[in-house]
Amino acid sequence: QSALTQPASVSGSPGQSITISCTGTSSDVGGYNYVSWYQQHPGKAPKLMIYDVSNRPSGVSNRFSGSKSGNTASLTISGLQAEDEADYYCSSYTSSNWVFGGGTKLTVL
Amino acid sequence: QLQLQESGPGLVKPSETLSLTCTVSGGSISSSSYYWGWIRQPPGKGLEWIGSIYYSGSTYYNPSLKSRVTISVDTSKNQFSLKLSSVTAADTAVYYCAREALMITFGGVIRGAGGFDPWGQGTLVTVSS
Repeated sequence: QSALTQPASVSGSPGQSITISCTGTSSDVGGYNYVSWYQQHPGKAPKLMIYDVSNRPSGVSNRFSGSKSGNTASLTISGLQAEDEADYYCSSYTSSNWVFGGGTKLTVL
Repeated sequence: QLQLQESGPGLVKPSETLSLTCTVSGGSISSSSYYWGWIRQPPGKGLEWIGSIYYSGSTYYNPSLKSRVTISVDTSKNQFSLKLSSVTAADTAVYYCAREALMITFGGVIRGAGGFDPWGQGTLVTVSS
C-alpha cells in the first residue's frame, strides 16, 4: 500500500480559505467513505479534525470541512486563523489497513 | 475523559526488540466499540499505521511491518502493547497509541469509520548502539 499524496505545503492569509487535497486510488480513498484528517502542531500528537470524509468530531470548529470526489479527498479551512498553522495529514481505510498521506504544512501568512 | 499514555525504553539497540505499552485511563479497553492502534512518526516525516487490536485479541497489521510486529492486549490492566523485532535505525520514531472507532451494525462491527481519536502524547524511541 502506498502513501496517499498531499501537497507538501499550502499557505493563506488570515480570513482566507484554503483547501488541502489528498489523492489515493480506488482501493483506498475512492473505495471507502472512511477518510479522516488530522491536525498536528509541532511537538504535539495529531488531533482528529474530520472523519468519514466530512464529519466533524465534537469540539472541532465548523471552519473545518471535508469532501471527496473520486480518488481525491479534500480538507477546506475557512476563515484562516493563526492557530490553524500546523501540519495536516489525511488517512484512508483500505482492506483492513490504514494508509496516511505524507502531510501538508499549512502556513498562515 | 479517555486518556492514553505510552511507556517503554527510549533507546533500543539495533537487531533487538522494541517494546512499548499503552495504558488507557478514563474508559475500558474492553469496550466492543473500539479497536486500539499503534502509529509511528519518524523525525521530520509523516505518520505510518503499525497495527490495531480488539479487546478479544483480534489484530490487523501493516503488511510492510507484519513479519516483525506483535500487538497484544491485557484487559486486566487496561493496557495494550507493541513489540517490533529486529529493529534498525529506520525504526527510530515517535510511537503513538490511539483509539480506533468502529461502526456497530446488526451484522457486526465495521472497521474504518471514525478514525483515530484520541491519541497518546507519543514516545520517542531511538534505535542506536
